[in-house]
Amino acid sequence: AQSVTQLDSQVPVFEEAPVELRCNYSSSVSVYLFWYVQYPNQGLQLLLKYLSGSTLVESINGFEAEFNKSQTSFHLRKPSVHISDTAEYFCAVRGNMAGSYQLTFGKGTKLSVIP
Amino acid sequence: DSGVTQTPKHLITATGQRVTLRCSPRSGDLSVYWYQQSLDQGLQFLIQYYNGEERAKGNILERFSAQQFPDLHSELNLSSLELGDSALYFCASSLQIGANTEAFFGQGTRLTVV
Repeated sequence: AQSVTQLDSQVPVFEEAPVELRCNYSSSVSVYLFWYVQYPNQGLQLLLKYLSGSTLVESINGFEAEFNKSQTSFHLRKPSVHISDTAEYFCAVRGNMAGSYQLTFGKGTKLSVIP
Repeated sequence: DSGVTQTPKHLITATGQRVTLRCSPRSGDLSVYWYQQSLDQGLQFLIQYYNGEERAKGNILERFSAQQFPDLHSELNLSSLELGDSALYFCASSLQIGANTEAFFGQGTRLTVV
């Protein structure tokens, strides 16, 4: 089985401050890791993904996440947040579970950026 | 725009009724996934199809069923609806079924059961 734990359900942060959204996973198989973002009243959009290679992955809008196998974590960070980053963020894992590759999501973290 | 189209965007229906949600995957994508998003359960995987065949089942109730048609669009049928079925239902598609294949999500169908 595979599971994802997002340790914080809500994270308020002031504009231009740094933020870290925490994600831990467990799996009995090798996994690939993803962060999705959901803006209000919208669907899920892929923010970034770790498939292989460098453990630090970056998105085009300044977010980054680091895969840490020993700590089974994939925390999302941004050094300086903007109002437009207000959204819900979902960490997800995907591995081969009996031939299926469905994404397993965490419960989500609501990021609120305060002006 | 992810390229995945879900209709309708909103649906309000009464308890006991049956509804059908439709999903058109991105052009060329063979795999379709259905997810349910509710406040208490979060995002739950329901079912996956690949090229018309059921591939995996998650936490899908017996009152729910799905299929993928030859043109690769998919429908999720929800019957004997209960208040607790009110949720946002997402469809996602991917080109293949490998673990490193990116899944693209539609905007969702918001179902309200009254």
